[in-house]
Amino acid sequence: DTGVSQDPRHKITKRGQNVTFRCDPISEHNRLYWYRQTLGQGPEFLTYFQNEAQLEKSRLLSNRFSAERPKGSFSTLEIQRTEQGDSAMYLCASSFLLAGGELFFGEGSRLTVL
Amino acid sequence: GESVGLHLPTLSVQEGDNSIINCAYSNSASDYFIWYKQESGKGPQFIIDIRSNMDKRQGQRVTVLLNKTVKHLSLQIAATQPGDSAVYFCAENMNAGGTSYGKLTFGQGTILTVHP
Repeated sequence: DTGVSQDPRHKITKRGQNVTFRCDPISEHNRLYWYRQTLGQGPEFLTYFQNEAQLEKSRLLSNRFSAERPKGSFSTLEIQRTEQGDSAMYLCASSFLLAGGELFFGEGSRLTVL
Repeated sequence: GESVGLHLPTLSVQEGDNSIINCAYSNSASDYFIWYKQESGKGPQFIIDIRSNMDKRQGQRVTVLLNKTVKHLSLQIAATQPGDSAVYFCAENMNAGGTSYGKLTFGQGTILTVHP
């Protein structure tokens, strides 16, 4: 499978715990994105990497959220001290440098905070 | 803030009919307008995009129309099939200093149901 893969697919945690999601993009893509999607809504942009550089972060990304892409390949999204409002689907996507509107999304990591 | 929205939250059609999904946008500075399809339990899947300097673009069984005068975007699906049943999102690509990248603003979504 050469698509975007995300792990874990589902995570249930208690409020206050830390969680980490991993994304493996399509190997030749140098842009990587994280989005968040809540039920019935469209995805919301969180952050974006070009190679290993994090070039933009949404104001939705509070200081409890941190994303890395250390070697310009896979990426991790960590949420510290989770809150119930963090419950959502976290989507990773990747694209070529000049992609227009075409992003390749993974199937997402669903987070439930109890 | 500026946003992209949809007129109809649900659309139900018979197999073989043509479907039209509509979207209104407000950010005139967007460089690309895009349609995505999302099936249950899956991530969004790119269908087609259109650059802001075009008014029509065709793909396989799909056509996207862009009317910049009234800030309206539509997706037409010809000969709709049960496999087309999904949520459809319009999105716009934010133009940042002349460089387009993947910071997309998505609308709320339209649920398309195709009956055999």
